[in-house]
Amino acid sequence: KQEVTQIPAALSVPEGENLVLNCSFTDSAIYNLQWFRQDPGKGLTSLLLIQSSQREQTSGRLNASLDKSSGRSTLYIAASQPGDSATYLCAVMDSSYKLIFGSGTRLLVRP
Amino acid sequence: EPEVTQTPSHQVTQMGQEVILRCVPISNHLYFYWYRQILGQKVEFLVSFYNNEISEKSEIFDDQFSVERPDGSNFTLKIRSTKLEDSAMYFCASSELRTGGAGGYTFGSGTRLTVV
Repeated sequence: KQEVTQIPAALSVPEGENLVLNCSFTDSAIYNLQWFRQDPGKGLTSLLLIQSSQREQTSGRLNASLDKSSGRSTLYIAASQPGDSATYLCAVMDSSYKLIFGSGTRLLVRP
Repeated sequence: EPEVTQTPSHQVTQMGQEVILRCVPISNHLYFYWYRQILGQKVEFLVSFYNNEISEKSEIFDDQFSVERPDGSNFTLKIRSTKLEDSAMYFCASSELRTGGAGGYTFGSGTRLTVV
């Protein structure tokens, strides 16, 4: 059964810092991995999608990498801003086409 | 940018009542989903829907749940007799392809269901 783990659970950084969020999954048989952002009480906003054949994807200040064989992904946020404060969720699409989510990393960027 | 629209944003209902949560997926998407997130817990899969039938459902999706695409645009989740433990944020999502497609899944902003 696929399990997705995200560490750290919470992170507080000063504005301007570069940071890395980690995601690990137990079964490497995935179709893709997607990173989402969730603001308190709100929906899920897709940030980056990495197909299983890809190694990384970039969008603006965000870069996500995927190492399928080791069951790991990282989300790198460059030059963090207070507006980046949110919960970041990692989800893998398993062999039955379901998204399996991690518990998220709650990020606070302090001005 | 195309959006998945969910209504209502918040619904309060009494235990035992029926509720219908509504979603308008992105128009050219073919695959539709419901996920839910109980407060403080992970987002979890409920059901996937394609070609007017359920493709996959989780153990949570028992006989009190049903989904329907009543017309060409809406996708609904019905809970027949709500229980306290059904209180959660319910997310609708859609995708172009079964594996997500170029954009992956697009989620709506959710309906917060509170059962009292």
